[in-house]
Amino acid sequence: AQSVAQPEDQVNVAEGNPLTVKCTYSVSGNPYLFWYVQYPNRGLQFLLKYITGDNLVKGSYGFEAEFNKSQTSFHLKKPSALVSDSALYFCAVRDMRSASKIIFGSGTRLSIRP
Amino acid sequence: GAGVSQSPRYKVAKRGQDVALRCDPISGHVSLFWYQQALGQGPEFLTYFQNEAQLDKSGLPSDRFFAERPEGSVSTLKIQRTQQEDSAVYLCASSLDAGANNEQFFGPGTRLTVL
Repeated sequence: AQSVAQPEDQVNVAEGNPLTVKCTYSVSGNPYLFWYVQYPNRGLQFLLKYITGDNLVKGSYGFEAEFNKSQTSFHLKKPSALVSDSALYFCAVRDMRSASKIIFGSGTRLSIRP
Repeated sequence: GAGVSQSPRYKVAKRGQDVALRCDPISGHVSLFWYQQALGQGPEFLTYFQNEAQLDKSGLPSDRFFAERPEGSVSTLKIQRTQQEDSAVYLCASSLDAGANNEQFFGPGTRLTVL
């Protein structure tokens, strides 16, 4: 079965420091992986995706994610955190059995302190 | 509009009432999805449309849940005889087509509270 795991419920980082939000996946076949961000009272916003190609994927708002096949991980990173990055982050994988549904992780709340 | 819109944004229902939630996808998007997001959880898939055809409804939790997209654009998620466990945010998403590498664009959601 396709699944993703986000081992951290919350990540706290000081503004200006690098941040990492962890995600591991379990899929059969090639993974199609996504990161979404959710701000309060707003819908999920797409950040980036990995389909194929370079293991380092660059996305919106200065975020990037590194696909690591041997570790089955797709960690979200940003070199220098902003207070405005504080939000709920979801890792997700496309369910290739149905080519439709996206399976989301449980989410990680990122808190950036000034 | 530029994005996916949903209405109402908030809905309070008494247990046993029927509710209808509306989704307006991005114009021209073929695929439309409904998700349920319980408090503190990630969204969970409910159902998927390609144009007017409902191709996957495996995530609907019971026969009280029904979705339609009769003209291949606007979609309605209907919940009959609402129960307290139906309280959640219901998210709608659309994508250009069903290609696996197409990202889904989400609406702001409808927060349903069943008393």
